[in-house]
Amino acid sequence: DVKVTQSSRYLVKRTGEKVFLECVQDMDHENMFWYRQDPGLGLRLIYFSYDVKMKEKGDIPEGYSVSREKKERFSLILESASTNQTSMYLCASSLRTGASNQPQHFGDGTRLSIL
Amino acid sequence: AQKITQTQPGMFVQEKEAVTLDCTYDTSDPSYGLFWYKQPSSGEMIFLIYQGSYDQQNATEGRYSLNFQKARKSANLVISASQLGDSAMYFCALIKAAGNKLTFGGGTRVLVKP
Repeated sequence: DVKVTQSSRYLVKRTGEKVFLECVQDMDHENMFWYRQDPGLGLRLIYFSYDVKMKEKGDIPEGYSVSREKKERFSLILESASTNQTSMYLCASSLRTGASNQPQHFGDGTRLSIL
Repeated sequence: AQKITQTQPGMFVQEKEAVTLDCTYDTSDPSYGLFWYKQPSSGEMIFLIYQGSYDQQNATEGRYSLNFQKARKSANLVISASQLGDSAMYFCALIKAAGNKLTFGGGTRVLVKP
């Protein structure tokens, strides 16, 4: 089974801090994704990566950056956290681009609160 | 642009009964796929079922089945014989063929009553 592991289930940070959310997958997937989930809005894509050091902006990239130095690890960075970034953050991975019938596999999520 | 609409924000269902969750979509791509995910209160997203736009038959997976009506652009999830453990949020999502990004609907919360 694919395992996607997010480093924290709950995180509390202060406004202006630099925040790192880490995600690791163990199935050699090429694609990795970061979403945020807010009530009534479903999941919205922040960034995704289709290869090491490659990234593309999703629908809501403002205020975020990402890093993928190794295939199994994808980090989401909040450069200067703000209260409107309080949310649930979900990481996912999928096999590769073109295998669109293969599902994305998700981590357990990180509930981030910015005070 | 792709769009997914789930019009039912929440619903109750009696244990052992069937429930249908609505999903309509909008895409200009001729080839695409549709996924359903379940999210229990613990937060993880669990893949349930997939339907390709050119699949000849409606997808089924255990107690889950998809009522796929391509002309109407709908892909409703049917859960048969509901169980208490089916209480969760359910999300419909759309992907372009050969794509890698999912577009999600807003979700439907299901509560199964004993």
